[in-house]
Amino acid sequence: EVQLVESGGGLVKPGGSLRLSCAASGFTFSSYSMNWVRQAPGKGLEWVSSISSSSSYTHYADSVKGRLTISRDNAKNSLYLQMSSLRAEDTAVYYCAREYSINWFDAWGQGTLVTVSS
Amino acid sequence: QSALTQPASVSGSPGQSITISCTGTSNDIGDFNYVSWYQQHPDKAPHLIIFDVTNRPSGVSDRFSGSKSGNTASLTISGLQAEDEADYYCSSYRSSTTLFYVFGTGTKVTVL
Repeated sequence: EVQLVESGGGLVKPGGSLRLSCAASGFTFSSYSMNWVRQAPGKGLEWVSSISSSSSYTHYADSVKGRLTISRDNAKNSLYLQMSSLRAEDTAVYYCAREYSINWFDAWGQGTLVTVSS
Repeated sequence: QSALTQPASVSGSPGQSITISCTGTSNDIGDFNYVSWYQQHPDKAPHLIIFDVTNRPSGVSDRFSGSKSGNTASLTISGLQAEDEADYYCSSYRSSTTLFYVFGTGTKVTVL
């Protein structure tokens, strides 16, 4: 069974940093591109970042470019999102999602909540 | 970075059919067949129901169907059931230097 489990969320002050993790199991993690998608409280989905299977390519939404960094460790079946210079508008549930094919997110984690507040 | 445009809400009675539109531009929906749709129940993660405009993953009811015309994609739910009450989001690949994927604004489906 494909499983994605996020962790690392919490309360952080504006300007602070946080590292999210996503542990994958039940599939060959190194064969798939992975993504982070977030959802602010009561709002819609927002694509955040993508990383190719071998980390050769990364992409970011303009709203997070230069502040959030996606990475992965295929040996550990893990996806990461290093978050820095956090702002109130980064407050959201962050989901990791497997990209089976282009823009085809077929598996999602349960999400981890990041709250940026003083 | 503008999201794809969806109606905020759509409603229907059990057994009826409803259609949700998703309007983009020639840089996304109009130029690529990389449109997907997601269903999200309250406090749950999104769930893929349509990929590549018209295709259903295994296990998804054939009451869900997708289509595209020009810059607008559509999701039709036929034989509406109470369990279909949820939020629905479209998504597309976007050719841009500033964005890679984009989601729609979301539509709340209410079963009357």
